[in-house]
Amino acid sequence: NAGVTQTPKFQVLKTGQSMTLQCAQDMNHNSMYWYRQDPGMGLRLIYYSASEGTTDKGEVPNGYNVSRLNKREFSLRLESAAPSQTSVYFCASSEWVGTNNEQFFGPGTRLTVL
Amino acid sequence: AQKVTQAQTEISVVEKEDVTLDCVYETRDTTYYLFWYKQPPSGELVFLIRRNSFDEQNEISGRYSWNFQKSTSSFNFTITASQVVDSAVYFCALSEALTQGGSEKLVFGKGTKLTVNP
Repeated sequence: NAGVTQTPKFQVLKTGQSMTLQCAQDMNHNSMYWYRQDPGMGLRLIYYSASEGTTDKGEVPNGYNVSRLNKREFSLRLESAAPSQTSVYFCASSEWVGTNNEQFFGPGTRLTVL
Repeated sequence: AQKVTQAQTEISVVEKEDVTLDCVYETRDTTYYLFWYKQPPSGELVFLIRRNSFDEQNEISGRYSWNFQKSTSSFNFTITASQVVDSAVYFCALSEALTQGGSEKLVFGKGTKLTVNP
């Protein structure tokens, strides 16, 4: 039981390049999320997916696209990377079990855009 | 809009001292959940506690304790007899429902960096 996994762990891009961050969970959770963490800012929600086949914008969606490929996988795509997207990206998943809805986080992807 | 404020940006203590991390929140919801996460230097987020807005009982887990006061919208975290391994950034967070009975967004504070010196 690996929980939430993310690939890659580190990535360096040049401005204008594109890439996809991968996230997978093996807990059979319906909800999945992408957050970004910037220094001194805490985490902010980029996009989320309430269930397979649905995606919605969070607080800071500009410059990103997402795909909920199936129940396990939720990818985040940067079509044309910008230095402002230098950040640490966390994927998370959650599911209601009784009155508990803990979000489980992946280990993060550290992205640098030059 | 929901908001979480962690006024202490950085705290430095000497090992074995007690330390309290403050968290103040704003929400219009009557039902909500509060969280504390730890982020050690390795970068992962470690879940510490989740508290329901209807449960104002204080909680203790080993050297950790949490004081939830609805009257002052605060959810403070105390580490007793701090240790070097407690050095980390600690985040307080508030849940915001995104879908009925489903997805929740976590609204995070900016974090408090705790350094415990030997």
